[in-house]
Amino acid sequence: DVKVTQSSRYLVKRTGEKVFLECVQDMDHENMFWYRQDPGLGLRLIYFSYDVKMKEKGDIPEGYSVSREKKERFSLILESASTNQTSMYLCASSFPKGREEGYTFGSGTRLTVV
Amino acid sequence: AQSVSQHNHHVILSEAASLELGCNYSYGGTVNLFWYVQYPGQHLQLLLKYFSGDPLVKGIKGFEAEFIKSKFSFNLRKPSVQWSDTAEYFCAVNPTSGTYKYIFGTGTRLKVLA
Repeated sequence: DVKVTQSSRYLVKRTGEKVFLECVQDMDHENMFWYRQDPGLGLRLIYFSYDVKMKEKGDIPEGYSVSREKKERFSLILESASTNQTSMYLCASSFPKGREEGYTFGSGTRLTVV
Repeated sequence: AQSVSQHNHHVILSEAASLELGCNYSYGGTVNLFWYVQYPGQHLQLLLKYFSGDPLVKGIKGFEAEFIKSKFSFNLRKPSVQWSDTAEYFCAVNPTSGTYKYIFGTGTRLKVLA
C-alpha cells in the first residue's frame, strides 16, 4: 500500500516558534506537495517539489519555506508561527506527468498556534 | 486564473436517494480530472479520475462521474447513497500542460441520514 506519512497528527505551538512539519513517502514518487485545508476554502497549495532540492511556490507561500534533501522526504517550515497559520496541513505525493495516477495524501497534521 | 467551482457546499440526503455533485472548472486546454473523498477523521482518498477516453468514468464504492467538455464539467453521481457515504468530496483539475499542481474546489459536505 502506498504510504505518505506525516510525523505528527496534532501539534500545538506558540506564536513566534519555528515549526517543522515532516512528510515521508515510500512510493518513490518524484512530486511532493504541501497543502493547507481550511473550512470553506478547500485545499490551497503552499509549496511543491518535483525533484530533490527543487521547489516551487504554490498559491500561498508567505510565511512558509520547504526543504527536500532526499526524494522521500519533504519538510514544511513555518519560520515564525502565527495564529493565522492554525490549520490542517496535508502532504501529498505523485508520479510525474505521463506516469501519474493522482495524488496520494497523508493523514494530515492539525496545527494550532496559540 | 484557473479555478474549480463546487456549487453545492452542503448536501443532505436520505439513504437510497440519488446523488449528483457539481464540479465546473475554468481552463481552456486539456485537463485531467479527479474526485477525492474525505471520510470523517480520515485522509483524502482518490474516488475516481479521468485522463482520456470514455467520458463516463466509474470509481470505487459505486460512484461515477461524467466529463462534459463543452460544459467544462465533471459531475459526480451515485444512484443510491448510503449512510457510510457521509463525507466531504473534493473535485480537482490538473491541466495537462504546465505545472504538476492540482487545483481543488472548495469541497462539498455530504450528510446521509439513515
